[in-house]
Amino acid sequence: GQQVMQIPQYQHVQEGEDFTTYCNSSTTLSNIQWYKQRPGGHPVFLIQLVKSGEVKKQKRLTFQFGEAKKNSSLHITATQTTDVGTYFCAGPNSGYALNFGKGTSLLVTP
Amino acid sequence: DAGVIQSPRHEVTEMGQEVTLRCKPISGHDYLFWYRQTMMRGLELLIYFNNNVPIDDSGMPEDRFSAKMPNASFSTLKIQPSEPRDSAVYFCASSTTLAYEQYFGPGTRLTVT
Repeated sequence: GQQVMQIPQYQHVQEGEDFTTYCNSSTTLSNIQWYKQRPGGHPVFLIQLVKSGEVKKQKRLTFQFGEAKKNSSLHITATQTTDVGTYFCAGPNSGYALNFGKGTSLLVTP
Repeated sequence: DAGVIQSPRHEVTEMGQEVTLRCKPISGHDYLFWYRQTMMRGLELLIYFNNNVPIDDSGMPEDRFSAKMPNASFSTLKIQPSEPRDSAVYFCASSTTLAYEQYFGPGTRLTVT
């Protein structure tokens, strides 16, 4: 079945450094979503990408959807301690429910 | 709207006991999802409902797990009997459409001793 893989699993950065997490699907996706989960919290929707090659920005966060619609990335510029958490990508499976990646846990040291 | 509501927030029980987790989705959302999250397996979809009807329960680990949605504003996930390996955080989520933005509840942290 369709799988969504994320790398890296963990990332530890100094505050002010950039951060990128990558998401790869075994199949073409109709859309890809990104969620953030703070420690002890629940996943919160960040954004959805639908079009091939789409790029969206939210302040210091930049999201990209690959041309083949099988991969995506989330880039954070100049990380802050408020960026700490786990970032998940999710894409619809063959039954159209979402498959979540294992997530990338980001730790930011002041 | 208050968002997705789950209860209890924490549950500690002994092996063999029955556990019932509850969820109230956002009003007007036609889809309700139950997930389990562990360090080892990540976020797993257990079952989802559309208009109160279970559509896909292929993620339910075994017969000890059951879920119901008697009406549009309430769902339960039951584990009977519970086992230590069921210890996890269980999330309920709801959405207006199947493959788009989901709203998660705060989760129930279950510990089975």
